[in-house]
Order: sequence, then C-alpha cells, then structure tokens
Amino acid sequence: DGGITQSPKYLFRKEGQNVTLSCEQNLNHDAMYWYRQDPGQGLRLIYYSQIVNDFQKGDIAEGYSVSREKKESFPLTVTSAQKNPTAFYLCASSIRPRYGAFFGQGTRLTVV
Amino acid sequence: SQQGEEDPQALSIQEGENATMNCSYKTSINNLQWYRQNSGRGLVHLILIRSNEREKHSGRLRVTLDTSKKSSSLLITASRAADTASYFCATDAGGGADGLTFGKGTHLIIQP
Repeated sequence: DGGITQSPKYLFRKEGQNVTLSCEQNLNHDAMYWYRQDPGQGLRLIYYSQIVNDFQKGDIAEGYSVSREKKESFPLTVTSAQKNPTAFYLCASSIRPRYGAFFGQGTRLTVV
Repeated sequence: SQQGEEDPQALSIQEGENATMNCSYKTSINNLQWYRQNSGRGLVHLILIRSNEREKHSGRLRVTLDTSKKSSSLLITASRAADTASYFCATDAGGGADGLTFGKGTHLIIQP
C-alpha cells in the first residue's frame, strides 16, 4: 500500500540533545514537507523540499535541519538550538501543493 | 505565516444536523484545501477548490469559495459521530515553491 510513514510515534529527548525524526514515502511524490503543530494551533511549516538534494526553509526553520538524499526520505533533526521543541511533528508529501498533501501520522516529541 | 483563519474555533451540534465552518485568508491563492484531523493523528485531505471555482461537492461535503471576499466555507451535511474532528483550511499561494499555509482549525464535536 502506498503511503507516508513517520517514526517513532512518540519520542522523548533530554535537553541539549539532538534527535532525528524519520519520514518515508512510497508515493513517488517529488515534494515533501515538515510541519510543527502546537496544542490548539494550526500547522507551521518548518522545511520543504521540492526535489532530491534541494530543500528550503519554511516559517520556523531555526533550530531544525533536514536532508533529502533520496526521493523517498526526508528526515528532520531537531537540534539543541531549538528553544521549545516539545510539539507534534507532521510530515507530508505531494506531487505539488496544488494537488493536495498526504500526511503521516505524526511524531510527538517531548523534551524532558 | 498563518494565512487562513477558521471560524468558529469550536462547534458542537447534534448528530444529523449540518455543520458549517468558515475560512478567511489574506493573499491571493491558487487553490484552497480542507483537511480533517482526528485527535493525535495526521491530517487527511478532504477537498480542493481552485481559485476559478465557486463551489464543489464531495459526498456529504460542500465547499464554496469567494475570492472577492477571500473566504471559503465547508458544509458537512447530515453529520455523524465519526465526523468529530478538527477541520483545517489550507491555501496554496501558487508558484509551487512553498508549502501549504494552514489556519488554526475548527474543532467539531458531533453529539450522538
């Protein structure tokens, strides 16, 4: 079955540590996105990638980094520079935004 | 930046009634999309309406778009308990470069 998979579902991190969230899709989509969602809020764009080996900062990229070495994969690293990393992180992919996006089930990151 | 603003923030209705939620946005768009999010899950794409369309239907969903007022509405007819979720509008400003811009959502509760 085609889809987009995020792992892990829950992640706990100590302050000062970097952590990487996985996102894999087998939909053959060129575009992939990372969003952050805080309680009661909408989604805010962290990074997006339109093609392999290329990515762009979104609205809240500070403290995050990404890579796009393969079409299927778009991992997000939350670095220790991110001041308030506890949030729900959503990965999405699409042919292009105008065709709608498919979302993963999310990773809930908690800093302890 | 968050462009879409949904209204109301929360809505509670009886099963079988119709639910209407609205979305306003600020800049010109290529298309507007509606998504549903069940608690703690990823988003599911419901319907997309292009800037040159005024109304679109999909099953029990009806979406309207008024580009002169920069607003859209989502109507869910004959609501069911399973429709309980948060609903988000998202805009694609065109150009293909940026991700979708989401509002903060309307939390819909269907009372059995």
